[in-house]
Amino acid sequence: GQNIDQPTEMTATEGAIVQINCTYQTSGFNGLFWYQQHAGEAPTFLSYNVLDGLEEKGRFSSFLSRSKGYSYLLLKELQMKDSASYLCAVRDSNYQLIWGAGTKLIIKP
Amino acid sequence: IAGITQAPTSQILAAGRRMTLRCTQDMRHNAMYWYRQDLGLGLRLIHYSNTAGTTGKGEVPDGYSVSRANTDDFPLTLASAVPSQTSVYFCASSERGGTGELFFGEGSRLTVL
Repeated sequence: GQNIDQPTEMTATEGAIVQINCTYQTSGFNGLFWYQQHAGEAPTFLSYNVLDGLEEKGRFSSFLSRSKGYSYLLLKELQMKDSASYLCAVRDSNYQLIWGAGTKLIIKP
Repeated sequence: IAGITQAPTSQILAAGRRMTLRCTQDMRHNAMYWYRQDLGLGLRLIHYSNTAGTTGKGEVPDGYSVSRANTDDFPLTLASAVPSQTSVYFCASSERGGTGELFFGEGSRLTVL
């Protein structure tokens, strides 16, 4: 079956760096997405990786290794507003998105 | 403001009743989706539509139906609601090309008693 694994919850300190991991087993691969979801709100797009390597976008970076079925989202200079759930999703060979359950990130002052 | 509008934002419904969740987008996206989100689970696809006039079943389609009469509207109907359909429902849309990132509506919180 298809599976996306990511930690349920992580805690980090304001101003620090945190890495949220995502491992996947899917039928084919056509890209990996990271979304941010604040409590009670809709998910919003953060990043997209389809080739191996690091994609940097401001304080956020996303890394992909297709051979290892692995990605991570790196958040630098953490701010209180970064407290949210981070969702990893993989697009499979049928171009359908398979979603992880999300990682709830708690930022402490 | 361009985007996706869902209605209602919240609804309490008696079991057995019929309910339609509305979704409208003004971005002219070809593809639209309905997901449900439950605590501890990833987003689960209920139904999707790749283009107006076509629909497909997702991971959890039972008890739900959709229609896509035009590009902008994609309503989701629960013919006879059951308590297990208590959830937060998100409508989303995407373009066919590019990254295909999803744009989500604000969600509809449905409670079936």
